[in-house]
Amino acid sequence: QVQLVESGGGVVQPGRSPRLSCAASGFPFSSYGMNWVRQAPGKGLEWVAVISSDGSNKYYADSVKGRFTISRDNSKNTLFLQMNSLRAEDTAVYYCAKDLGVGSTPLGYWGQGTLVTVSS
Amino acid sequence: IQLTQSPSSLSASVGDRVIITCRASQGISSYLAWYQQKPGKGPKLLIYAASTLQSGVPSRFSGSGSGTDFTLTISSLQPEDFATYYCQQVDSYPRAFGQGTKVEIK
Repeated sequence: QVQLVESGGGVVQPGRSPRLSCAASGFPFSSYGMNWVRQAPGKGLEWVAVISSDGSNKYYADSVKGRFTISRDNSKNTLFLQMNSLRAEDTAVYYCAKDLGVGSTPLGYWGQGTLVTVSS
Repeated sequence: IQLTQSPSSLSASVGDRVIITCRASQGISSYLAWYQQKPGKGPKLLIYAASTLQSGVPSRFSGSGSGTDFTLTISSLQPEDFATYYCQQVDSYPRAFGQGTKVEIK
């Protein structure tokens, strides 16, 4: 079955640059677009970024554009989110999520999330 | 594209019919999905393409609408349905979510 396991969260100082990872299994990873979605404590869902199956196309939310970079390693079935210039408002649980299909497709499967707390 | 859900929360009893609405700031055809989230868990896809039930989702869940106005209906609320529900447009980027509707026990 589809499994998505995020890692790399923790307490991070403002301005630091952690990298989140998402290990995928149970499906042909290189065939699907992948997303990051975040949720601040007690708040709703915020879509962050998407990367196409081959890594050639990437889109970002305005709130992270220029600071975060999404990437993938299809040889290792792993998705990444490089987070630069972190701010307090980036504190959230970060979920990786797999596109259900191709094109205008919803997020079919989600991981359990990894918490990033930005604090000095 | 912004999505506005209503209500933001509701109290209901087991067996009740529950309707949640989602309005898009511009037309998105049928490119709308609904998710259920329980505390401490990642969201779960319920419905996509406005009205298509995801595999394994109980038939008491249904979706309708197109263009700018959409609804999620739970025909007979069950104890396991108490959760927060989100809509998401998948027509264009950024793929915005609604603000969520928390369904609580009356």
